[in-house]
Amino acid sequence: AQSVTQLDSHVSVSEGTPVLLRCNYSSSYSPSLFWYVQHPNKGLQLLLKYTSAATLVKGINGFEAEFKKSETSFHLTKPSAHMSDAAEYFCVVSGTTATDSWGKLQFGAGTQVVVTP
Amino acid sequence: DGGITQSPKYLFRKEGQNVTLSCEQNLNHDAMYWYRQDPGQGLRLIYYSQIVNDFQKGDIAEGYSVSREKKESFPLTVTSAQKNPTAFYLCASSTPLGDSTEAFFGQGTRLTVV
Repeated sequence: AQSVTQLDSHVSVSEGTPVLLRCNYSSSYSPSLFWYVQHPNKGLQLLLKYTSAATLVKGINGFEAEFKKSETSFHLTKPSAHMSDAAEYFCVVSGTTATDSWGKLQFGAGTQVVVTP
Repeated sequence: DGGITQSPKYLFRKEGQNVTLSCEQNLNHDAMYWYRQDPGQGLRLIYYSQIVNDFQKGDIAEGYSVSREKKESFPLTVTSAQKNPTAFYLCASSTPLGDSTEAFFGQGTRLTVV
C-alpha cells in the first residue's frame, strides 16, 4: 500500500504568484514528514521537516508546510514563486509502519514545478 | 565538510558487464540507502543498511548487490542480471534516532548502458 501520495505530477505557476504542492500520507504511527527539492541531475536537498514540535513548519527559500493530522496531509507552500524554484519536489515520509519505524523513507512520485516569467 | 560523496558522476557500461557505484559518507550515520530514479517514477529503493555488515533488499533489488563492510561506505554493484540499468542512482544516509530522521543525499551517478 502506498504511503505517500503527491496529488499533482506537474504544477505551473507564474513568477511572483503562490505555489501549492499537495501531499497526503497514510500511517498507523506518528510519522516524520519531509519535503525535498531536486534540481536537474542533482541530489535531493532538504527543504523542511516535521518533527512533531509544531504543525506549521518553515523551511529554506521561503517554503513552509502545514501538518494536518485530521486530513493526513502535509502540503508545501510558498507565497511568491521565483524562477529558481523550478525543480522537482518530493514529499517523504518515514516511520509509517512497525517494520519501518526505525526510519525507512517512503517517497512520493514527485511534483515537477515550472515557473513562467 | 561533512557529506555524502558518490562517484563517478557519469558511468557507462557495456552489455554484460558488472559495474560498481561508490558511496561514502563522513556524517557518522548508521543507515545508508540506494535509490534508483527513472523519469516520471520518483525514487525507488534498491537496498538499505541499518548497521555495518547488515543490509536489506528494497523494492527493486533484483540485479543489484551491495556490501556494508564499513560504516562510511555502501557500494552498489549493478550486475549483468539487471536488464535495464540505465538510470540515475542516488545514495543517502541518515541517523534513525528520535523524530528527526532526515536523509542526506549524494549528487548521484548517472549510469548509461552503451
